[in-house]
Amino acid sequence: DGGITQSPKYLFRKEGQNVTLSCEQNLNHDAMYWYRQDPGQGLRLIYYSQIVNDFQKGDIAEGYSVSREKKESFPLTVTSAQKNPTAFYLCASSMEQGGLINEKLFFGSGTQLSVL
Amino acid sequence: AQKVTQAQTEISVVEKEDVTLDCVYETRDTTYYLFWYKQPPSGELVFLIRRNSFDEQNEISGRYSWNFQKSTSSFNFTITASQVVDSAVYFCALSEARRNTPLVFGKGTRLSVIA
Repeated sequence: DGGITQSPKYLFRKEGQNVTLSCEQNLNHDAMYWYRQDPGQGLRLIYYSQIVNDFQKGDIAEGYSVSREKKESFPLTVTSAQKNPTAFYLCASSMEQGGLINEKLFFGSGTQLSVL
Repeated sequence: AQKVTQAQTEISVVEKEDVTLDCVYETRDTTYYLFWYKQPPSGELVFLIRRNSFDEQNEISGRYSWNFQKSTSSFNFTITASQVVDSAVYFCALSEARRNTPLVFGKGTRLSVIA
């Protein structure tokens, strides 16, 4: 089945630790995204990538890093610089039409990150 | 700047009632796209509809209908004869074509349908 796989489903971070959230898609989509969801805050964009080896910051990129070495994969690292990392993280992908990224997003099932 | 406002934080209805979820958006672009997504308790967002700014026709899909009004910058979503399975968080989102930006989401409306 085609789709987006996020792992792990639950993740715990200790103070000062970096953690990496995995996101893999087999939809052959060019664009991939990371959103953060906090209760009552909706979804906020962290980073997105339209092509391999290129990515752009979203609205809340501070304290996060990403890489896009393969089309299918877009891992997100939550660094120790992110002081309030507890949230639900959603990865998404979309097709591009002529370079446009206004197509519908397909989402993974999310990773809940908590701080110990 | 683009912005989406969903003023209703939580709504509770009794099963079989109709319910309308409001969405108001702001954009300076003349070409844009509006979306609705459903987030059930499992967490994964499910796409419901995408509408471009040039298509103001209302749309109906089963018990779901959408009312797009550019004059009031609104894209409201109505569920007719609600069911318990409709309980979820619903998000409205906007993407501007000229700036080619990713979707910007509203804060969501949590709908609870009580049997």
